[in-house]
Amino acid sequence: QVQLVESGGGVVQPGRSLRLSCAASGFTISYNTMHWVRQGPGKGLEWVAVISHDGGDKYYADSVKGRFTISRDNSENTVFLQMNSLRPEDTAIYYCARSAYMDVWGKGTTVTVSS
Amino acid sequence: DIQMTQSPSSLSASVGDRVTITCRASQGISNYLAWFQQKPGKAPKSLIYAASSLQSGVPSKFSGSGSGTDFTLTISSLQPEDFATYYCQQYNTYPYSFGQGTKLEIK
Repeated sequence: QVQLVESGGGVVQPGRSLRLSCAASGFTISYNTMHWVRQGPGKGLEWVAVISHDGGDKYYADSVKGRFTISRDNSENTVFLQMNSLRPEDTAIYYCARSAYMDVWGKGTTVTVSS
Repeated sequence: DIQMTQSPSSLSASVGDRVTITCRASQGISNYLAWFQQKPGKAPKSLIYAASSLQSGVPSKFSGSGSGTDFTLTISSLQPEDFATYYCQQYNTYPYSFGQGTKLEIK
């Protein structure tokens, strides 16, 4: 069964860091581009970051550039999102998704940035 | 950056109706357009990719069309489980972008 499971969310103070994980099962991430997408409370979907199948290319939304880093460990079949210098506006559910057209999504992990 | 604009933002319809949602890109994106359905408290679900290709397992009541800057999602014979929020997304150019969503409600 093709599945993505996010973890690592929680409550964190502004300025602190958090690392999210996205574990894949039922398929090999090494053949796929992988994305992070977030959704703030009561808001729409916002694309955050992408990493190519081999990790050689990475792109970010302007809102997170310089603060967030996407990475992958193909041997663990897992994608990561390192989030530094967190702001209240980063509060959201964070989803990972597979492929350019996001055919598979995880259920998400919730990040709350608050003092 | 490419802006995606959906219309309408909300839509009331009855069971059995056929509805159409429009998505417009601020510049041409060929057919690199996907549609998603999201129900409250759930992750988005992929419906359509490449503007008109149905994802595996998605019923044929969903259809997409368009190319360039103008796209549509049509849902025929609405059923209670179809009432949800729908998003378009362009994957032609980074940064990828989503429309603001269309909330489909029961009349």
